[in-house]
Amino acid sequence: EAGVAQSPRYKIIEKRQSVAFWCNPISGHATLYWYQQILGQGPKLLIQFQNNGVVDDSQLPKDRFSAERLKGVDSTLKIQPAKLEDSAVYLCASSLPTRNEQFFGPGTRLTVL
Amino acid sequence: AQSVAQPEDQVNVAEGNPLTVKCTYSVSGNPYLFWYVQYPNRGLQFLLKYITGDNLVKGSYGFEAEFNKSQTSFHLKKPSALVSDSALYFCAVRGLNAGNMLTFGGGTRLMVKP
Repeated sequence: EAGVAQSPRYKIIEKRQSVAFWCNPISGHATLYWYQQILGQGPKLLIQFQNNGVVDDSQLPKDRFSAERLKGVDSTLKIQPAKLEDSAVYLCASSLPTRNEQFFGPGTRLTVL
Repeated sequence: AQSVAQPEDQVNVAEGNPLTVKCTYSVSGNPYLFWYVQYPNRGLQFLLKYITGDNLVKGSYGFEAEFNKSQTSFHLKKPSALVSDSALYFCAVRGLNAGNMLTFGGGTRLMVKP
């Protein structure tokens, strides 16, 4: 079974620029999550989708971050404009609605200069 | 609000010795508890979970964890450590009313020396 795919794996941008990350979940997984993992910390949930609807985005900085999952499969996370403190690894995960364990992609490491 | 504490930033153990990585949690109601492992430049890999039932949970790669409700702990254990077990370990908790939202601890780096 193919795992969660993410791209790009690495991205370096200047502050105030925009950036987008892409995630393709495991086939059949209706629930998709985006996490931010700052160096030395555990992952922090940014947003959770159930199919193409948002379940929880309470920790998403909505003034600069946005995410969508238009067809209930792939998802994109965008940052516009980026700040230095956005430097982190952005992890995508997916799960079945009836199961509790989440399966993670390899992440995108973002460096904001 | 739910929270997880991993009191040790790093655990050092010799190969062949037993290992324990500690985790305590705070959550309303009965918890769902998880352990994940992260290797360099890789995403998190699911190791094991506790939902209900037997307090001793067995997972991947010979790892197990013991749920202790009175101490609100969920320590990860392995009887005999391997050098290849060296990685970053994360404990996570989900409350009954939290959708499927996981709260992670800060992680513990396990170093197994030959």
